[in-house]
Amino acid sequence: QVQLVQSGAEVKKPGASVKVSCKASGYSFPNFGIGWLRQAPGQGLEWMGWISPYTGNTDYAQKVQGRLTMTTDTSTNTAYMELRSLRSDDTAVYYCARGPSSNPFDYWGQGTLVTVSS
Amino acid sequence: DIQMTQSPSTLSASVGDRVAITCRASQRINSWVAWYQQKPGKAPILLISKASTLESGVPSRFSGSGSGTEFTLTISSLQPDDFATYYCQQYNSYSPITFGQGTRLDIK
Repeated sequence: QVQLVQSGAEVKKPGASVKVSCKASGYSFPNFGIGWLRQAPGQGLEWMGWISPYTGNTDYAQKVQGRLTMTTDTSTNTAYMELRSLRSDDTAVYYCARGPSSNPFDYWGQGTLVTVSS
Repeated sequence: DIQMTQSPSTLSASVGDRVAITCRASQRINSWVAWYQQKPGKAPILLISKASTLESGVPSRFSGSGSGTEFTLTISSLQPDDFATYYCQQYNSYSPITFGQGTRLDIK
């Protein structure tokens, strides 16, 4: 069965960076894009960007452009999301999800809580 | 970016009720709308894609309709497991993906 398993919770200070991993199994990893989304406490869902494991092409939301890098490692079927220059309003649960570009996300990781606090 | 205005923000209903949640897009997006269900502490679950296509395994009491700028998620007969928060998502290829603000469905 399709599974996306994310790395554990992180606590970071303002200005630091965080890198979250998302290990996929149960399907052909190169054939499906991976989106990254986040949800601040008590808030709705925010799309951050998308990457194609097959081509490496990325598409980032303007709000985080310049601070966000998405990568994949097809040898381990793992996607990564790195967010730099963290601010308190980056505190959120971060999700990876499977989906082709400009499509809904049919499988989601369990979420990774990133807390930014001094 | 395309804005998705979802209403109502909260909805109180009873088991067996028929409920509807609406999303309005700020511009025409054909049928490029999905609906998700999310329970506290859990990842969202995809219910409906392309406005009205029910995902595999999703109960038939869920249905979606609409095109252009107005979209509706309907639950025909609420079950206890349906009390959750629901989000619409637009995925027009010419615009970044955006979500509605969410509708929290509570037990009356």
